[in-house]
Amino acid sequence: GDSVTQMEGPVTLSEEAFLTINCTYTATGYPSLFWYVQYPGEGLQLLLKATKADDKGSNKGFEATYRKETTSFHLEKGSVQVSDSAVYFCALSGKNAGNMLTFGGGTRLMVKP
Amino acid sequence: ETGVTQTPRHLVMGMTNKKSLKCEQHLGHNAMYWYKQSAKKPLELMFVYSLEERVENNSVPSRFSPECPNSSHLFLHLHTLQPEDSALYLCASSQDMGTNGGGELFFGEGSRLTVL
Repeated sequence: GDSVTQMEGPVTLSEEAFLTINCTYTATGYPSLFWYVQYPGEGLQLLLKATKADDKGSNKGFEATYRKETTSFHLEKGSVQVSDSAVYFCALSGKNAGNMLTFGGGTRLMVKP
Repeated sequence: ETGVTQTPRHLVMGMTNKKSLKCEQHLGHNAMYWYKQSAKKPLELMFVYSLEERVENNSVPSRFSPECPNSSHLFLHLHTLQPEDSALYLCASSQDMGTNGGGELFFGEGSRLTVL
């Protein structure tokens, strides 16, 4: 079946550091890919998405590129802020799955001033 | 009103108790979901309802019983749970079931369940 693998956290960075959170997936066909973020005490919310190979999703300074050849969708940000501290979830929607998403385990990011 | 509201936020129950989790969405969506979030494990999809009809049940034990009386409300009835059922239970909604996975889920803040 479909699956998503993320790097385990926590990831601890200083403010203005470069961020990469790795995400790889296994799925049949060409899934849609998502990054969700969960701030402390809140529900998950969509951060960005990409629906086909080579698409780049971006939002709030975060970017991720759909790489079919490496089955990856790594999340990057050039300069993190303390307010980016949260748990980040990579997810996919497989063939015919619609909005029934398969999630990774989440990666906690802590940004220190 | 926030988009998706879950109650209670925290629940402690014994293995012989019966309790229910409630989810309400104020977004006019037609699909609702229950996910289970356990420590160090991926979110697990439990149930999906579209227009109040169950469309997905991911081999969830019968001690979990969902109910969707209308498109705005979703319940998860809990009965004779086990300690390993302790987790954060997340409710989500979406406009519809989606085509080609292009849609967006809106999540509540979750109900933290502890089974003693």
